[in-house]
Amino acid sequence: EAGVTQSPRYAVLQEGQAVSFWCDPISGHDTLYWYQQPRDQGPQLLVYFRDEAVIDNSQLPSDRFSAVRPKGTNSTLKIQSAKQGDTATYLCASRRLGGQDTQYFGPGTRLLVL
Amino acid sequence: GNSVTQMQGQVTLSEEEFLFINCTYSTTGYPTLFWYVQYPGEGPQLLLKVTTANNKGSSRGFEATYDKGTTSFHLQKASVQESDSAVYYCVLGDGTGSNRLTFGKGTKFSLIP
Repeated sequence: EAGVTQSPRYAVLQEGQAVSFWCDPISGHDTLYWYQQPRDQGPQLLVYFRDEAVIDNSQLPSDRFSAVRPKGTNSTLKIQSAKQGDTATYLCASRRLGGQDTQYFGPGTRLLVL
Repeated sequence: GNSVTQMQGQVTLSEEEFLFINCTYSTTGYPTLFWYVQYPGEGPQLLLKVTTANNKGSSRGFEATYDKGTTSFHLQKASVQESDSAVYYCVLGDGTGSNRLTFGKGTKFSLIP
């Protein structure tokens, strides 16, 4: 069974530029999570979906961040105008509702904003 | 809301020594407690899970116990090896169908060279 895949693996931007991160969850997993992991800290939940619906985006900086999962499978997280404070690793995780509690994480995208 | 505290930012040991990582948590519900491990360049992966019903969990030579009275949660391993070098996270699941996770800051374990 393939794991969670993410692309790109690395991104380097100037402040003010836009960037998109893509996530392909494990097949059959209906719940998808996006986390932000600043350097030397634990991951912090940004948003999560069940199928195509956003269940909780309360921690997503809505003025610059957006996330979609239009067909309930792949998902895209976008930063419209990046700031240096957005420098972090962005992790995607998926889980099958009704199964174990386990969330399976992808390798992440490391973002550096100069 | 939920919160998790890991005071040990880094632990360094010699091979075959005993590893102990402590964590405290705060919650208003009936959480599930996890330890996740993260290797360089990878995402976190589940190491083990402890429910408030059974108080203990074990996996790959690691054991975790939780104490509801002190709201603390410990990870231990009797004899560490080079392959155990990683960052260990204490994690609180909210116990609902959403399974929102709250991560601690992590404890980086490495062997003395």
